[in-house]
Amino acid sequence: GAVVSQHPSRVICKSGTSVKIECRSLDFQATTMFWYRQFPKKSLMLMATSNEGSKATYEQGVEKDKFLINHASLTLSTLTVTSAHPEDSSFYICSARWVEDYGYTFGSGTRLTVV
Amino acid sequence: EDKVVQSPLSLVVHEGDTVTLNCSYEVTNFRSLLWYKQEKKAPTFLFMLTSSGIEKKSGRLSSILDKKELSSILNITATQTGDSAIYLCATRGGDKIIFGKGTRLHILP
Repeated sequence: GAVVSQHPSRVICKSGTSVKIECRSLDFQATTMFWYRQFPKKSLMLMATSNEGSKATYEQGVEKDKFLINHASLTLSTLTVTSAHPEDSSFYICSARWVEDYGYTFGSGTRLTVV
Repeated sequence: EDKVVQSPLSLVVHEGDTVTLNCSYEVTNFRSLLWYKQEKKAPTFLFMLTSSGIEKKSGRLSSILDKKELSSILNITATQTGDSAIYLCATRGGDKIIFGKGTRLHILP
């Protein structure tokens, strides 16, 4: 139980285009989802917290106009990287809290390469 | 199907005790195993293991990978209340990263 499905797993796009990444909670309702970016040294940086039906909360230094987050339903959150640049190439991971204040379940990540 | 299973799900010990957290995995094209500590915001990276049998150590924390048994353990000695957190195990396989559900560790003073 408590599965988060993340798609696509890998995407290559041209500089200047936009890419959408989806995270779906398959067997539970995720009122809160988290979006992370993984850096080469494996650390995870929290980019934003999305709450169903309201605006996402972005961490300091994360451009909200560039990384658009939508959490329109209890089972789907999306991250759109707009006008992507090569420096946006990274591994993006989502997670959802599946038991209040206890457990987190993670998506399998999206490898974004901007050429 | 790729999966990572952590045990126990929850653990409560007294300060000063030693704990061992377990992680087992089934992953296609295994590349590495990662341990994280999650308290508030983003999980904090602890270790990355790629070779079997080589212990990685950082202060009171240590971890080792057993590729034959498809498992890893995370040891914490002389636990402190600040060690209370959720410990996450994840594996990299191909383009995917698969996280376990975590072990919630609570250290009693």
